[in-house]
Amino acid sequence: HLQLQESGPGLLKPSDTLSLSCSVSDDSISTSPYYWAWVRQAPGKGLEWIGSSSYRGNSFYNPSLTGRVSMSVDSSRRRISLRLISVTASDTAVYFCARDPGNSSTWYFDSWGQGTLVTVSS
Amino acid sequence: SSELTQDPVVSVALGQTVTITCQGDSLRSYYASWYQQRPGQAPLLVFYDKNSRPSGIPDRFSGTHSGLTAALTITGAQAEDEAEYYCQSRDSGGNYLVFGGGTKLTVL
Repeated sequence: HLQLQESGPGLLKPSDTLSLSCSVSDDSISTSPYYWAWVRQAPGKGLEWIGSSSYRGNSFYNPSLTGRVSMSVDSSRRRISLRLISVTASDTAVYFCARDPGNSSTWYFDSWGQGTLVTVSS
Repeated sequence: SSELTQDPVVSVALGQTVTITCQGDSLRSYYASWYQQRPGQAPLLVFYDKNSRPSGIPDRFSGTHSGLTAALTITGAQAEDEAEYYCQSRDSGGNYLVFGGGTKLTVL
């Protein structure tokens, strides 16, 4: 049973860079056709997809975050990373990592981490 | 604004059947996936693709798809089904992923 665990600083100041990691419990991180994603949820709001990446380096991002976001997959460390620059209060959210099996044209997430709260405040 | 539209609130009497819908142009080309999210928890995949239910999800959860509308049906709703439900698919261009705004299901 796959386990995903997010980690990172819980409090940032406006204009800081958000850096989060997600540890993956098995070798599916380096297996095709899996993709790995970040999804966030602002307090009391719905889910927002941030982006998805594969261990081969294919990445695609939510157009609303283009230019601020980057992701990477480190299969040797079994870790997925998220980097979001120039954060503002609107980036305050619970950030989830998730796995997309990559076997469907629909794209879907069959495993999720428990999420980590990031608060942006001066 | 979301490219997938859901009713914000739906209620169902205990043991009855309820359908949660999701509308969007992208559903003309792609199936929807459905997630259940209880307060304070991560989303849980409950249905995906044309007719797929993950292992461990009760068979009272089923999905349908027609034209621009996807639907999740719970047949014989239980108290533990009270949660927020999100549909998800790809955008109309197929280039990125989108979620619906969510439907809060209350079991009376």
